[in-house]
Amino acid sequence: EPEVTQTPSHQVTQMGQEVILRCVPISNHLYFYWYRQILGQKVEFLVSFYNNEISEKSEIFDDQFSVERPDGSNFTLKIRSTKLEDSAMYFCASMQNYGYTFGSGTRLTVV
Amino acid sequence: AQKVTQAQTEISVVEKEDVTLDCVYETRDTTYYLFWYKQPPSGELVFLIRRNSFDEQNEISGRYSWNFQKSTSSFNFTITASQVVDSAVYFCALSESYNTDKLIFGTGTRLQVFP
Repeated sequence: EPEVTQTPSHQVTQMGQEVILRCVPISNHLYFYWYRQILGQKVEFLVSFYNNEISEKSEIFDDQFSVERPDGSNFTLKIRSTKLEDSAMYFCASMQNYGYTFGSGTRLTVV
Repeated sequence: AQKVTQAQTEISVVEKEDVTLDCVYETRDTTYYLFWYKQPPSGELVFLIRRNSFDEQNEISGRYSWNFQKSTSSFNFTITASQVVDSAVYFCALSESYNTDKLIFGTGTRLQVFP
């Protein structure tokens, strides 16, 4: 069964550093998403991406966040200057016909 | 605005008990999709079911069953004869067709099944 692949599975970074979280969505899917889950809390929508542009973003997705699909296969989330409160699990998902497939997540720890 | 409410924060049962996890949703749309996901301690999100708003038939899959009632905007999930391996956080989620199709998750219900 096709999978969404996320790398790395765990990343530790110092406050103020830039991080890039990587995702390879399912190849024939057209809609892509990033979600965030702070430890012990619910899964929160960050951004949706369709046709090579952002289609919607939440209030969490401020100027320090950006997404891109640089090569037609990878889908990346960049956090420019990480803060302690960015520590969370980040999930990538792709969707086709309301079938959502989530990656296993990247646990980001900001120290 | 769309919203998903899972009022039960945590449920504890003993193995072999039946347990129902509640989910109530709000939406302005007439076409929408409802989902249940399981998040075991390992952290991944495991898809359990998708149901569209036009299909109110209840569904059974092994020990799992789902009761969708549009009249009460509920999509409840029952585990029959629970097992220790069912211990996880369960999330209900909603997607509206007119929107960017993002999933909106409830706050989750942590189920602990004791032997």
